[in-house]
Amino acid sequence: QVQLQESGPGLVKPSETLSLTCTVSGYSLSRGYYWVWIRQPPGKGLEWIGSIYQSGSTFYYNPSLKSRVTMPVDTSKNQFSLRLSSVAAADTALYYCARDRLPHPGKTAFDLWGQGTMVTVSS
Amino acid sequence: DIQMTQSPSTLSASVGDRVTITCRASQSVSSYLAWYQHKPGKAPNLLIYDASHLETGVPSRFSGSGSGTEFTLTISSLQPDDLATYYCQQYYSHSNGWTFGQGTKVEI
Repeated sequence: QVQLQESGPGLVKPSETLSLTCTVSGYSLSRGYYWVWIRQPPGKGLEWIGSIYQSGSTFYYNPSLKSRVTMPVDTSKNQFSLRLSSVAAADTALYYCARDRLPHPGKTAFDLWGQGTMVTVSS
Repeated sequence: DIQMTQSPSTLSASVGDRVTITCRASQSVSSYLAWYQHKPGKAPNLLIYDASHLETGVPSRFSGSGSGTEFTLTISSLQPDDLATYYCQQYYSHSNGWTFGQGTKVEI
């Protein structure tokens, strides 16, 4: 059974870089699928952050966050990460990692999600 | 980017009611639309993909329809376990980015 688990600091200072990791168990992420980050600010809806394919050969980022986002992949640890630079209070959110429903590149929904991890941006 | 607008924002209904949620896209997304159920403290759960396809394991009282710019999620007979917020999401174009509706909270 494939599972996703987010981890990382729960508190980040303004202007610093937010770093989260998603550990994938039960499947080698280098074999396929787009791996995804999504967030939900308190009291608001869901926002797609970005998607990366397999070991990072192809990626897409939310245009509104593109200048601040990178999503590195560590295939040796079966993990993918989120790096969001120059954070502000507006980046306070529950951050989820997720997976595309289909293993090959294409237009599809997200069928597997982690439980989410809360990140607060505050000094 | 493609804007997704859901209505209503909140819906109050009784057990056994037929419930319909609407999602409108600011431009055509063909059938590249999903519906998710999100309960507090839990990960969102995929209900419907490609506008009308029921995800494996999802109860058959959930159904989706529509294409282009207008879509609906229907719960044929509302159950207490359906208390949640429901989101639509389009995945039409990578260049535009994937976007979600603002959510519809269903109260029993």
